Amino acid sequence: AQSVTQLGSHVSVSEGALVLLRCNYSSSVPPYLFWYVQYPNQGLQLLLKYTSAATLVKGINGFEAEFKKSETSFHLTKPSAHMSDAAEYFCAVSDLGSGGGADGLTFGKGTHLIIQP
Amino acid sequence: EAQVTQNPRYLITVTGKKLTVTCSQNMNHEYMSWYRQDPGLGLRQIYYSMNVEVTDKGDVPEGYKVSRKEKRNFPLILESPSPNQTSLYFCASSPLAGDEQFFGPGTRLTVL
Repeated sequence: AQSVTQLGSHVSVSEGALVLLRCNYSSSVPPYLFWYVQYPNQGLQLLLKYTSAATLVKGINGFEAEFKKSETSFHLTKPSAHMSDAAEYFCAVSDLGSGGGADGLTFGKGTHLIIQP
Repeated sequence: EAQVTQNPRYLITVTGKKLTVTCSQNMNHEYMSWYRQDPGLGLRQIYYSMNVEVTDKGDVPEGYKVSRKEKRNFPLILESPSPNQTSLYFCASSPLAGDEQFFGPGTRLTVL
């Protein structure tokens, strides 16, 4: 069974500063990994996904994430935070890469990103 | 426009009054799923469906029912709602189980 741990339920950064949201996963097989963003009063929107190709994945809105197998991590970064980045961010894992995935995605508990002016 | 729609978006009801939240997708996706989102708990899967007439329990199925009679629709049924089912509910679909999921806008349910 997979699991996802997101370190920090709330992360606060200044506008223009580096954004780093941490995600560690547990999976017995090569994982597929996802980052989703949820803006207030909206559904979840995919930021980026890792499917065992390049370990550095670029997504929308200037975000990127790096898959590190040795650390079982998939941290999300953005060089310079904007006020519009304030939202809830979710990391998720599935075992689709090994032919599984029947039970869909397993989500972390989410990290609320606060941008200070 | 490719999308997942849910209705209603907001619902206030009373304990024991049966309700249905509809979900429909227009992307011809095989896989559909229902989640509930609660503060501090993230998203928890209620039920999922691999295809028409194939449904299975997720992590928190108690008190819920689903059906998948058509590929595009996946309604969530609460036969006898209770206050602990007050939550934000999301429907999602994907072309393949375990791949990127497309989410609906959510249904905020309050059970008094």
